[in-house]
Amino acid sequence: AQSVTQLGSHVSVSEGALVLLRCNYSSSVPPYLFWYVQYPNQGLQLLLKYTSAATLVKGINGFEAEFKKSETSFHLTKPSAHMSDAAEYFCAVSDGYKLSFGAGTTVTVRA
Amino acid sequence: EAGVAQSPRYKIIEKRQSVAFWCNPISGHATLYWYQQILGQGPKLLIQFQNNGVVDDSQLPKDRFSAERLKGVDSTLKIQPAKLEDSAVYLCASSLGQGRNTEAFFGQGTRLTVV
Repeated sequence: AQSVTQLGSHVSVSEGALVLLRCNYSSSVPPYLFWYVQYPNQGLQLLLKYTSAATLVKGINGFEAEFKKSETSFHLTKPSAHMSDAAEYFCAVSDGYKLSFGAGTTVTVRA
Repeated sequence: EAGVAQSPRYKIIEKRQSVAFWCNPISGHATLYWYQQILGQGPKLLIQFQNNGVVDDSQLPKDRFSAERLKGVDSTLKIQPAKLEDSAVYLCASSLGQGRNTEAFFGQGTRLTVV
């Protein structure tokens, strides 16, 4: 069985500030981990993925995430928030067979 | 490369009516998923196909929902009869296969409103 817990359903940051979205996973096998972003009335778009290579993963739009096995975490960060980062973000885990999503974190960016 | 195509984008029906959604995955993708996303929640897997076979439908309400994937390509998801609680966005996604290739590519979704 596998699952994802995203800590914090809403995050508000100032433009230019650090964005930190937390994700903890549970998996009975070595996981593949993903972060997706969803803009209003759109499907999900892949930001980045961890597939057992480098533990620090860089994605699109300046986002990166670090896989920490000891903490079962895969937190998403961006050093400097932009207004266009306002969206909903989903962490997902795969056992190589099934893809399961967290409940999501909505990010708002204050000018 | 063309993405995952879904239709219709929006649908409004009355409860107890039936509705069908269509999905065309990315060419060559063996795995196809249907997810239900209720407002404010993460996507919930309804059914997963590997080519034209069902590999996981444990969360599909089989008394009212059905899905098929003809010839391992296009797929349709049907609801009959619809209930108010079926109001959601239905997302179709596809991936190359399994293992590290479970990265899923999503369509824009179909927003269903049941009144």
